[in-house]
Amino acid sequence: EAGVTQFPSHSVIEKGQTVTLRCDPISGHDNLYWYRRVMGKEIKFLLHFVKESKQDESGMPNNRFLAERTGGTYSTLKVQPAELEDSGVYFCASSPQAGASDTQYFGPGTRLTVL
Amino acid sequence: RKEVEQDPGPFNVPEGATVAFNCTYSNSASQSFFWYRQDCRKEPKLLMSVYSSGNEDGRFTAQLNRASQYISLLIRDSKLSDSATYLCVVNTAGRRALTFGSGTRLQVQP
Repeated sequence: EAGVTQFPSHSVIEKGQTVTLRCDPISGHDNLYWYRRVMGKEIKFLLHFVKESKQDESGMPNNRFLAERTGGTYSTLKVQPAELEDSGVYFCASSPQAGASDTQYFGPGTRLTVL
Repeated sequence: RKEVEQDPGPFNVPEGATVAFNCTYSNSASQSFFWYRQDCRKEPKLLMSVYSSGNEDGRFTAQLNRASQYISLLIRDSKLSDSATYLCVVNTAGRRALTFGSGTRLQVQP
């Protein structure tokens, strides 16, 4: 079974540009999460989708970040305009269904560098 | 204060050694607890969930003390392949978001 996939694996952009990250969860997983790790910090939660609905977006840092999950399958995370402090690794995770103890399976991450 | 605190290490131990990591969490509403393992430049992977009664998986033993808000991971008979960063992770009641510690780095040496 294929795991969580993310694209691109790396992205280098200039401050002020736009970047869109994509996540394909494990097939059949209703729950999709975005996390990020900025330099020197711990991994932090950004938001949680259940199918196509945003269940929890309390971790989104500001309105430059827009996440979508149209059709409840893959998700995109757009950063517009990117700032220097947005550099870091963006992880996507998915889990099957109900239960807080559900294992979240992480993708390999997208390493974003904003110059 | 961070919600989940870990000693960053690194812990440098010889093969075959027993090593223990500790973690404290500040939110008393935390209800699920995990240890994840992260290799360099890779994604976090679940190592084991942590239950109140304590649980063991081969060479790995996890303990939870809810009264002290403390979680531990014990690794026996360390292998070179155990070298990684170990992340203490908690989840709060009513939410699916995971809260991560900054991780403890383990280096097992031959």
